[in-house]
Amino acid sequence: AQSVAQPEDQVNVAEGNPLTVKCTYSVSGNPYLFWYVQYPNRGLQFLLKYITGDNLVKGSYGFEAEFNKSQTSFHLKKPSALVSDSALYFCAVRASGAGSYQLTFGKGTKLSVIP
Amino acid sequence: DSGVTQTPKHLITATGQRVTLRCSPRSGDLSVYWYQQSLDQGLQFLIQYYNGEERAKGNILERFSAQQFPDLHSELNLSSLELGDSALYFCASSGRRGQAGELFFGEGSRLTVL
Repeated sequence: AQSVAQPEDQVNVAEGNPLTVKCTYSVSGNPYLFWYVQYPNRGLQFLLKYITGDNLVKGSYGFEAEFNKSQTSFHLKKPSALVSDSALYFCAVRASGAGSYQLTFGKGTKLSVIP
Repeated sequence: DSGVTQTPKHLITATGQRVTLRCSPRSGDLSVYWYQQSLDQGLQFLIQYYNGEERAKGNILERFSAQQFPDLHSELNLSSLELGDSALYFCASSGRRGQAGELFFGEGSRLTVL
């Protein structure tokens, strides 16, 4: 079985400061890892993914994530937070050899960027 | 805009009733996934269809059923509704060649059971 842990229910950061949203995963075999963002009353929007290759993945809106196999982590980062980044962030995983593309999501981390 | 369309956006009904949620995937996508989002359970995978056939099953209750039609749209049927079924139901699609598995989500259908 695969699982995702997002240890922080909420992260607060001042505008202009760097932000990190943490994610650790458990999966059999090689992982495919994803970050999604959800704004209030909206669906989930894809931010970035790690499939293979470079451990540092760049995505939409200036976000990036670092894959660390030894720590089974895939933390989301941004060098300078914006108030508009305030939203709910979900990390997700699936096994690379899985027949289905269904993703297992973490419980989400609410990011609040304070002006 | 993800290209995935869900209707209705909001639905209020009573316990014991039955509702149908509809999803149209992105053009060209063969797979449809249904997820339930609630405050206490987070995002739970319910079921996946691929080109009309059931591909994977998650935490879907026996009172719930789904199907995918020849035109690839999908419907999620929820029956004998209980208060605890109140949630946001998302449909997602995937399957275009060259995309390694990210799902594209609709805006969701918010179900309130009174």
